[in-house]
Amino acid sequence: DSGVTQTPKHLITATGQRVTLRCSPRSGDLSVYWYQQSLDQGLQFLIQYYNGEERAKGNILERFSAQQFPDLHSELNLSSLELGDSALYFCASSVGTAVDTQYFGPGTRLTVL
Amino acid sequence: GESVGLHLPTLSVQEGDNSIINCAYSNSASDYFIWYKQESGKGPQFIIDIRSNMDKRQGQRVTVLLNKTVKHLSLQIAATQPGDSAVYFCAETVSGYSTLTFGKGTMLLVSP
Repeated sequence: DSGVTQTPKHLITATGQRVTLRCSPRSGDLSVYWYQQSLDQGLQFLIQYYNGEERAKGNILERFSAQQFPDLHSELNLSSLELGDSALYFCASSVGTAVDTQYFGPGTRLTVL
Repeated sequence: GESVGLHLPTLSVQEGDNSIINCAYSNSASDYFIWYKQESGKGPQFIIDIRSNMDKRQGQRVTVLLNKTVKHLSLQIAATQPGDSAVYFCAETVSGYSTLTFGKGTMLLVSP
């Protein structure tokens, strides 16, 4: 157990809908990272927050957004969902801003029908 | 469990063998590298890391080798066990940056 929690574990929804994925980092970690893992694209970095502020942005679509709250948990919002958004979404956390060991949560499996 | 890829390179070994998983990284400026293990249905798990001022680093039953000249990493697992069966990813980054770039992964299958 990495200490990073993610909910829900599975999510099934329809095209055009909006969903919210939640992540709680390890105790003491200030950075939260979101990744998307699909069969054809592998593990892709989406976005990082550090202590409530956006720190780095990767291949995140404009339909997707994230935020980190004062208690350091983070939410990833996915809107206008398309079939191609079906994937595993992982959250990771680390202590600082630059890359050090990132601890990954168990992931949320999103299926868009 | 959930599949993370249908077309991953696969390495099949017998229990007790030594395994070597290779990774070619893309950015010549990368100076920090990490190996992750991902078991079916779980998130990636940190195994071992290495910085570019080193050629080799050893952990418990694992060794990472770095060849900067050809931008190549390898992960050696000694006395491979069935519990080592998983997908292994290398990741690279540049110090001071916060984003990791992951390789495509290699599936390791260990037969008893």
